[in-house]
Amino acid sequence: DIQMTQSPSSVSASVGDRVTISCRASQDISNSLDWYQQKSGKAPKPLIYAATSLHSGVPSKFSGSGSGTDFTLTISSLQPEDFAIYYCRQYKSYPVTFGGGTEVEIK
Amino acid sequence: EVQLVESGGGLVQPGRSLRLSCAASGFTFSDHYMDWVRQAPGKGLEWVGRIRKKTNSYSTEYAASVKGRFTISRDDSKTSLYLQMNSLKTEDTAVYYCSRVVSGLWYFDLWGRGTLVTVSS
Repeated sequence: DIQMTQSPSSVSASVGDRVTISCRASQDISNSLDWYQQKSGKAPKPLIYAATSLHSGVPSKFSGSGSGTDFTLTISSLQPEDFAIYYCRQYKSYPVTFGGGTEVEIK
Repeated sequence: EVQLVESGGGLVQPGRSLRLSCAASGFTFSDHYMDWVRQAPGKGLEWVGRIRKKTNSYSTEYAASVKGRFTISRDDSKTSLYLQMNSLKTEDTAVYYCSRVVSGLWYFDLWGRGTLVTVSS
């Protein structure tokens, strides 16, 4: 199975900050990675697919980069509505696997 | 409205069975692969399994943790997805989400609100 490791597990940031979340795959997954945002008590929402493409309706302050084993989700200017947990997911091979999540907290 | 609505969750004893349903509306259900994803209380997301569409023979994939115990099926005429869960264990306690796979892009663009399954004696 492909292991997905996210770092940090949590980050404290202020409104307006730039936040970067990392996701590392245990083997090459090309660009078969996506990112989801989950707020407390709600279903996840898609942000990024194919490592770098923005899901329709997602603001451009979110961006994804990387390929192979190392990937990054960046929020360019953190807003109050962005405080949530973020998950990466690989779909290169079965079983599909998620990272452990990164909680973005208010500083 | 485009939506997925799960139902069928509840409290069940270890070793028993439960069947979850996911009702789809507002889109052509038969055109999409569909997945189940679960989330144990206070934990992260865990993929449960997938069912492909008719042109792919409704074939399925499962996580190792549920393989042999859980079965995913669908009824395109009822635009519904199902998860039959047998031999339930306490570690199956979770919110179960159904999700739609974007054709060709492979990500989940639509999720239901989830249904809570609690396995406890």
